Amino acid sequence: DIQMTQSPSSVSASVGDRVTITCRASQGISSWLAWYQQKPGKAPKLLIYAASSLQSGVPSRFSGSGSGTDFTLTISSLQPEDFATYYCQQANSFVTFGPGTKVDIK
Amino acid sequence: QVQLVQSGAEVKKPGASVKVSCKASGYTFTGYYMHWVRQAPGQGLEWMGWINPNSGGTNYAQKFQGRVTMTRDTSISTAYMELSRLRSDDTAVYYCARDTVLLWFGELSYYFDYWGQGTLVTVSS
Repeated sequence: DIQMTQSPSSVSASVGDRVTITCRASQGISSWLAWYQQKPGKAPKLLIYAASSLQSGVPSRFSGSGSGTDFTLTISSLQPEDFATYYCQQANSFVTFGPGTKVDIK
Repeated sequence: QVQLVQSGAEVKKPGASVKVSCKASGYTFTGYYMHWVRQAPGQGLEWMGWINPNSGGTNYAQKFQGRVTMTRDTSISTAYMELSRLRSDDTAVYYCARDTVLLWFGELSYYFDYWGQGTLVTVSS
């Protein structure tokens, strides 16, 4: 099975900050990676797929990059509605999610 | 608009079974694979498998094989996930989630663009 790790596990940031979250796969997954945002009590929301493709309706301040084993999600200017937990997910060999990164208010 | 509406919360005893439903609307139900994902309290996300609503074909994560059954009723655009021999560590919110790629294009994407609201299943004696 492909294992996914994320760092940091949590980050405290302010509105307007640039936030970067890293995701690493235990083996190469090409660009088969997605990012999701989840708020408490809600279902996850797809932000990025195929490592860098922005899902329809998602603000352009979200961007993804990477291939192989190392990936990043960047929020260019954090907005109040972005405080949430973010999960990466590999789709190269079935599905595995990362453990999540919680973005909270500094 | 696309909606996935799941059945309500359940409380079950260890060893019992639970069946969760997911009613789809706003799109052609038989046109997209449906996945099931669960999330234990305060924990991360875990994929359970998928069903092809057109053919009824399924593919389950190895961890759940022998305990999970995914079915569908195309007449009411509803997918079902049944988990048997429940244990306390099956306590979780169970989500249905639609694959992003039209079924007739072939391969699944294993990306999930629409999700149900979640169904809490509590396993307790």
